[in-house]
Amino acid sequence: GNSVTQMEGPVTLSEEAFLTINCTYTATGYPSLFWYVQYPGEGLQLLLKATKADDKGSNKGFEATYRKETTSFHLEKGSVQVSDSAVYFCALSDQGTSGTYKYIFGTGTRLKVLA
Amino acid sequence: EPEVTQTPSHQVTQMGQEVILRCVPISNHLYFYWYRQILGQKVEFLVSFYNNEISEKSEIFDDQFSVERPDGSNFTLKIRSTKLEDSAMYFCASRRPSGLYNEQFFGPGTRLTVL
Repeated sequence: GNSVTQMEGPVTLSEEAFLTINCTYTATGYPSLFWYVQYPGEGLQLLLKATKADDKGSNKGFEATYRKETTSFHLEKGSVQVSDSAVYFCALSDQGTSGTYKYIFGTGTRLKVLA
Repeated sequence: EPEVTQTPSHQVTQMGQEVILRCVPISNHLYFYWYRQILGQKVEFLVSFYNNEISEKSEIFDDQFSVERPDGSNFTLKIRSTKLEDSAMYFCASRRPSGLYNEQFFGPGTRLTVL
């Protein structure tokens, strides 16, 4: 079945450092790909998305490119801030047998940014 | 901007009791989902619901669970006889009938604690 693999955390960075969180997927067909962020004590917020190969999703300085050849959707940010400290989830939209398009999530990567 | 709402934000119950978690999806959405996140773990799909019936369910969604759309706005998840291992954050999500990204919109979650 379809699956998502994320790099293990936690990731600890100093403010203004470059961030990469790796995400690879296994899927039949061409799923849409997403990054969600979960701040402490809060729910899931969509960070960015991409629907087809070579699409680049971007939001709040974060970027991720849908790479079909490497089945990857790595999250990057050039300069992190303390306020970016959160858990980041990579997800794909799985069509399923009934066209439900349920999400399959990765395990999440906790990011801690130090001032 | 329309959003998915969930009530209560936190529910504490005794083992063996029934609980009902409530969600109000975005009004023009037709697909509804429940996900679960055990503390510190990844978000897992429970069930999807469309056209007043379950369209897909996971292995977690056993006979103790049921979903219902009792009226035109609410979407509920019932756990008949709660177990300790049901303690988790439960997220409701909804999506439009069609859409480029099959993007789901998540509610803030209900934290269920079973004692």
